[in-house]
Amino acid sequence: DGGITQSPKYLFRKEGQNVTLSCEQNLNHDAMYWYRQDPGQGLRLIYYSQIVNDFQKGDIAEGYSVSREKKESFPLTVTSAQKNPTAFYLCASSIDLGGRGTDTQYFGPGTRLTVL
Amino acid sequence: GQNIDQPTEMTATEGAIVQINCTYQTSGFNGLFWYQQHAGEAPTFLSYNVLDGLEEKGRFSSFLSRSKGYSYLLLKELQMKDSASYLCAGRSNDYKLSFGAGTTVTVRA
Repeated sequence: DGGITQSPKYLFRKEGQNVTLSCEQNLNHDAMYWYRQDPGQGLRLIYYSQIVNDFQKGDIAEGYSVSREKKESFPLTVTSAQKNPTAFYLCASSIDLGGRGTDTQYFGPGTRLTVL
Repeated sequence: GQNIDQPTEMTATEGAIVQINCTYQTSGFNGLFWYQQHAGEAPTFLSYNVLDGLEEKGRFSSFLSRSKGYSYLLLKELQMKDSASYLCAGRSNDYKLSFGAGTTVTVRA
């Protein structure tokens, strides 16, 4: 079965701790993305990556870091510098960045992070 | 980026039709997407429009008018399982998506 997996589904952390959220895809997609979703707001782009070993900041990158060492994996670290980290985090992937056709983004099931 | 505006909530009866409007303001437009999201789950892709007109996919249709910066999603023959949030997202020329806050549709028996 092809798809995007995120783990864990629920995550609790103490304030001041870094936490890493995993995202894996076996769709052979080049592009991957991280969004956060807060109640009453649209999804906001944190980071995105077009190819391995390359990634770009999105609209709200402060307090977050990513790596893209493998095509299948795009982990997101929420650092202690992120002022309001409690949110629903969604990972997505697409064939590529959007230079051809629809290049629809497909989403993983999400991780709900709660910082206590 | 883009400003995406859509209503917060809509309610309709099972079997009815509901139209969800979306307006966008963009500095460079490169397509309009609609996603469905059930509570606590991932958004799932519904439709994509880049040219003016209506795209029909079964019970769901999506319309785009680029000159008016306007799109709508039409849900026909509503079913209880259609109760969800519907996200409008515009893609700009840098290929990033800007999402609206979502429209929560409640289907009543």
